Amino acid sequence: QKEVEQNSGPLSVPEGAIASLNCTYSDRGSQSFFWYRQYSGKSPELIMFIYSNGDKEDGRFTAQLNKASQYVSLLIRDSQPSDSATYLCAVRKVNTGFQKLVFGTGTRLLVSP
Amino acid sequence: EAGVAQSPRYKIIEKRQSVAFWCNPISGHATLYWYQQILGQGPKLLIQFQNNGVVDDSQLPKDRFSAERLKGVDSTLKIQPAKLEDSAVYLCASSSPGPGNTIYFGEGSWLTVV
Repeated sequence: QKEVEQNSGPLSVPEGAIASLNCTYSDRGSQSFFWYRQYSGKSPELIMFIYSNGDKEDGRFTAQLNKASQYVSLLIRDSQPSDSATYLCAVRKVNTGFQKLVFGTGTRLLVSP
Repeated sequence: EAGVAQSPRYKIIEKRQSVAFWCNPISGHATLYWYQQILGQGPKLLIQFQNNGVVDDSQLPKDRFSAERLKGVDSTLKIQPAKLEDSAVYLCASSSPGPGNTIYFGEGSWLTVV
């Protein structure tokens, strides 16, 4: 079982719709979860992170965390063509005080005009 | 504030040749990471430094890959000899010490092995 699993997509949504991206993780002890956006040919950029169960909103983005189900999601409201990218879910692991990120394979999002 | 700098951005080499990538982290960031991202996959951690010491190199193919961070700032990742399956983007990232700090990525070094 992979540590972080995502559907590779592509997920196609029309402009203005809500895009829902999902991620599951295997380590029940994981504490922190991150969503990165990666445009083709570019490096990952942080969108948002979440630590606590429930929802966290930032502009058009909402991260949702359910630790009991080991499930993280990212909702993008009013999707725009510029949101077309690969969205990477990452789990922070801490070992002897040092952190690292473990990534999923990413979900490719296509927003059509 | 300057970001994570990497060079070269692109490199094409033949299999069995060697290649080296350089990274300069964000000023003051003690933790430096090298990730490998193969097309269609998520980034995979190769090696992590805290200052000039290695914290994690469990996924580094040590028979062909090596990395160093001699003065605790810049880092070099070397591949020798390269294989076709090493074709990937090599992402350098850095963060401040401690488990609660954001990891920032450089633009990456794109390697094609032919």
